[in-house]
Order: sequence, then C-alpha cells, then structure tokens
Amino acid sequence: AQSVTQLGSHVSVSEGALVLLRCNYSSSVPPYLFWYVQYPNQGLQLLLKYTSAATLVKGINGFEAEFKKSETSFHLTKPSAHMSDAAEYFCAASGGSNYKLTFGKGTLLTVNP
Amino acid sequence: EAQVTQNPRYLITVTGKKLTVTCSQNMNHEYMSWYRQDPGLGLRQIYYSMNVEVTDKGDVPEGYKVSRKEKRNFPLILESPSPNQTSLYFCASSLQRGTTDTQYFGPGTRLTVL
Repeated sequence: AQSVTQLGSHVSVSEGALVLLRCNYSSSVPPYLFWYVQYPNQGLQLLLKYTSAATLVKGINGFEAEFKKSETSFHLTKPSAHMSDAAEYFCAASGGSNYKLTFGKGTLLTVNP
Repeated sequence: EAQVTQNPRYLITVTGKKLTVTCSQNMNHEYMSWYRQDPGLGLRQIYYSMNVEVTDKGDVPEGYKVSRKEKRNFPLILESPSPNQTSLYFCASSLQRGTTDTQYFGPGTRLTVL
C-alpha cells in the first residue's frame, strides 16, 4: 500500500530564510506526487504536482519540489520565506491502478519576523 | 466561479442522530471524494466516486455512507454518528482521476458529535 511520510510535524523559519519541507513516499510503481497547502480555516489548494515529466517542479508562490526516485523523496523548498507562507503543508502520493490518493500527516510551517 | 461547496460549515449534534453533509461542485468533474482531517493524522480518505453511481471505500469508511446520483452532488451520510466521528470534513473534486488530476477542495465542515 502507498504511504507518505512527512518528516517534522512543525517547522519554524525566520522571514527570508530557506524553507525545506520533507516528504518521502513508498510506491512500487512510478507515483504521482503533490504538495497541497492549507491556510488557517480554509480548504486545501494545490501548490504543485509531479506527473512523470520534469523532475524539478515549480509551483505557485515561489515554491518548487524535486522528485528523486533513488531517495523516494519529493521535498518542497522555497529560497526565501515570507510571513504569508505560514500554513500547513501536505504531501500526497498516488500510484498503481486504483483511484486512491494518500496524504501525509502534514507539516505546520511557522514564519518568524 | 468554479468551486466546491459544503453545507453546513459547522454542525454540533448528538450521538445517534442521523445527519447528512452536502457537497456540490460546478466544474463538471467526474471524480469526487470525502476526507476527514484530524490533528496529527493528516487527511484520510473516507469514500470516493469515479462517476455517477460509482463509489468505493477509502481508508476509513466505517460509519459513513455516500451516494452519487447526480454528477455535481456527493453527500456524506452518518446514519448513527458517534463521538469518534468528531472531525473536520472536506469534500474534493477533480476532472477525472483523483490520483493524477488536481483536486479542488471545499471549505470544510466542522462536525462535533456529543
């Protein structure tokens, strides 16, 4: 069964610092991978997705993620954090022939002034 | 405006009292899904539907029912709610397969079962 592990339930960075949110997946087949963001009291919205094209994927708001098959990872980065990036981030993965999408447990990003 | 709507947004009920949370999308999406979000557990899929009259269980279907009689609507039914179903619920839809297409989420329904 597909599983997604997000390392660190809470990440705190200073404004202007690098953001790195980690995601590892397990899949016996090439996966589709997603990062979603949830701002306070809102639903989730897509940041970016990997669908077996370029391994470096660029998303909205300056975020990007790199698919590394050898490491089964899909870490999310942003060079310079902004206060408005404070939110919860979810990595999700799918694979195989079923219609199920599996989410990680989420990482809460705090940005300090 | 393209959107997924859920009603109600907040609901407090008592154990055993049947309730329905509605979900509707106006994007002509084929795939719809229900998730519950609990602290420390992330999002877990309850049920999903690939098209009208086609539904299947997700990871945590116990205690829930769904139906998909129309393409735009995908209600979640709790026939006998229990306190362990207190949670934040999200409905989502995508064009076709939920595993490859972007999912669009509703605003959430916060349910408390006393």
